[in-house]
Amino acid sequence: AQTVTQSQPEMSVQEAETVTLSCTYDTSESDYYLFWYKQPPSRQMILVIRQEAYKQQNATENRFSVNFQKAAKSFSLKISDSQLGDAAMYFCAYRCPTGANSKLTFGKGITLSVRP
Amino acid sequence: NAGVTQTPKFQVLKTGQSMTLQCAQDMNHNSMYWYRQDPGMGLRLIYYSASEGTTDKGEVPNGYNVSRLNKREFSLRLESAAPSQTSVYFCASSELDISYEQYFGPGTRLTVT
Repeated sequence: AQTVTQSQPEMSVQEAETVTLSCTYDTSESDYYLFWYKQPPSRQMILVIRQEAYKQQNATENRFSVNFQKAAKSFSLKISDSQLGDAAMYFCAYRCPTGANSKLTFGKGITLSVRP
Repeated sequence: NAGVTQTPKFQVLKTGQSMTLQCAQDMNHNSMYWYRQDPGMGLRLIYYSASEGTTDKGEVPNGYNVSRLNKREFSLRLESAAPSQTSVYFCASSELDISYEQYFGPGTRLTVT
């Protein structure tokens, strides 16, 4: 079974600085998708960024970028120029590629706090 | 578009009571999912429906039933609530293609006393 591991339960960053959130996963598949979701105090799950496993280029969305290391099965999220609104819980997720059984497997999440 | 809507937002039940959580999406997605979120556990899949007319168990299905009423609606039923089912419940929808993200509802906070 696929597993997603987020080993750091909490992290803190100073406003305007950069922080990296770690994620590793385990799969025997070669084609899959990886996601980072943000959950602010409102509880709403918001997609931050997605990465296709077959693409070597790391995905980027404004201040958010990933470091995808397929061989190491590592998928970290870098947040640049951190803002107070980035404070939230962040979940790494893997999407199983097998057609009708295509569901997300989540890590346990990491709570990010941003210091003003 | 409202996206994914869930009702109710909050609910308190006594042990043994039953209730149904409602979920609807207006994005014409084929697949719908129910997750529960517990502290330190992330989100765990309860049941999913890959398409209208089909449902399958996820990681933690015990104590729950689901109904895919039509393409838009996917309900989750607790027949006899237990304190272990105290959690936040999320419904989500997406297309079958794995490149598509899952869109989540706002969640239901359920407390079973």
